[in-house]
Amino acid sequence: QLQLQESGPGLVKTSETLPLTCTVSGGSISSSDYYWDWIRQPPGKGLEWIGSIHYSGTTYYNPSLRSRLTVSVDTSKNQFSLQMRSVTAADTAMYYCVRHGVDNVWFDPWGQGTLVIVSS
Amino acid sequence: QSALTQPASVSGSPGQSITISCIGTSSDVGDYNYVSWYQQYPGKAPELLIFDVSNRPSGVSNRFSGSKSGNTASLTISGLQAEDEADYACSSYRSRNTWVFGGGTKVTVL
Repeated sequence: QLQLQESGPGLVKTSETLPLTCTVSGGSISSSDYYWDWIRQPPGKGLEWIGSIHYSGTTYYNPSLRSRLTVSVDTSKNQFSLQMRSVTAADTAMYYCVRHGVDNVWFDPWGQGTLVIVSS
Repeated sequence: QSALTQPASVSGSPGQSITISCIGTSSDVGDYNYVSWYQQYPGKAPELLIFDVSNRPSGVSNRFSGSKSGNTASLTISGLQAEDEADYACSSYRSRNTWVFGGGTKVTVL
């Protein structure tokens, strides 16, 4: 059974870079059949798609966040990562890593999420 | 403000049917049959409930159904049960491998 687990600092200072990593277990991140995504949810608010990556390195980003994002993959560790630069309090959220298929457009499964608070 | 518009809350009595709307545009909901719905309990991650407008993953109750008309997608819960009290979010594909979500709807069972 595929499982995804987010890890990150929990607290990031304003204007710094937020680094998150998702570790995939129970399956290979190098499958050509899937993309790996980041989705976030600010406290009490709705979900927001951040970006996705294929093991080949192909990436897609939310246009509203693109200038601050880098999503990368490390196939040797079965992990993918998110770097969000110049964070503000508006980036405080629960961050989820998820998967979607190359031939489908829904997200499943989801990691349990990791809360990131941005504060000065 | 979320890209897709959902009511903040919907309520119903046990056994009743409720419908949650998800209003998009001709660039997302109206242009693709790629609407999905997610159920989220407090403190938990979302889980896939409906994909491709009206399809249920294995294990999801047939009390949940999805539909779409024009720029509006809908999720209907029939025979409402206490365990259905949760948040529900819609999502739509929006070209060039991007996605948009709704703001979420809190369902309360009276």
